[in-house]
Amino acid sequence: EADIYQTPRYLVIGTGKKITLECSQTMGHDKMYWYQQDPGMELHLIHYSYGVNSTEKGDLSSESTVSRIRTEHFPLTLESARPSHTSQYLCASSEWVDNEQFFGPGTRLTVL
Amino acid sequence: AQKITQTQPGMFVQEKEAVTLDCTYDTSDPSYGLFWYKQPSSGEMIFLIYQGSYDQQNATEGRYSLNFQKARKSANLVISASQLGDSAMYFCAMRETSTGNQFYFGTGTSLTVIP
Repeated sequence: EADIYQTPRYLVIGTGKKITLECSQTMGHDKMYWYQQDPGMELHLIHYSYGVNSTEKGDLSSESTVSRIRTEHFPLTLESARPSHTSQYLCASSEWVDNEQFFGPGTRLTVL
Repeated sequence: AQKITQTQPGMFVQEKEAVTLDCTYDTSDPSYGLFWYKQPSSGEMIFLIYQGSYDQQNATEGRYSLNFQKARKSANLVISASQLGDSAMYFCAMRETSTGNQFYFGTGTSLTVIP
């Protein structure tokens, strides 16, 4: 069973606020990922990391930033939330790049 | 061009019957991986099954099997003996070596199991 956690599960926030979505895993995986998913739609990769101090942008342009200071922790930050950021954000990790990815429960973000 | 195509937005199946969810992919890489995930209404993504491009046999995991037809670039998921708990969104995904092993997801198929 995958041990990957995301907090908060649900967040409703006003425009202009700074928010950080937390993601942590206890499996010791080097590879971690952030996806954005609108309701009923496919997942889009927005950030990934292949290890500590390594971060890359994914295919989908995003105004968010990430950091990877510790192997187990991969937080995503929005400096100034906007209604267009309303979506579900899914964090995932994998042992190797070609292994299956294990997903967290997701954070449903609503920006008013 | 879409790397993963799922043409069935919604499917219905009678409980205990088998159902096939379609997935076609587009890649010129000789080495790639194909995955199926289940997403219940609660939102988490649950890994179901994996097929490597060099695997000779179709992957199976319990009631799930992957019908891999390499020449047709299709990787359909077959769920046997459907259960009410199988009702969920199902996503096909591909890992492609040439793009740094990023995952590409399809748009998903919503499966409803009817009692």
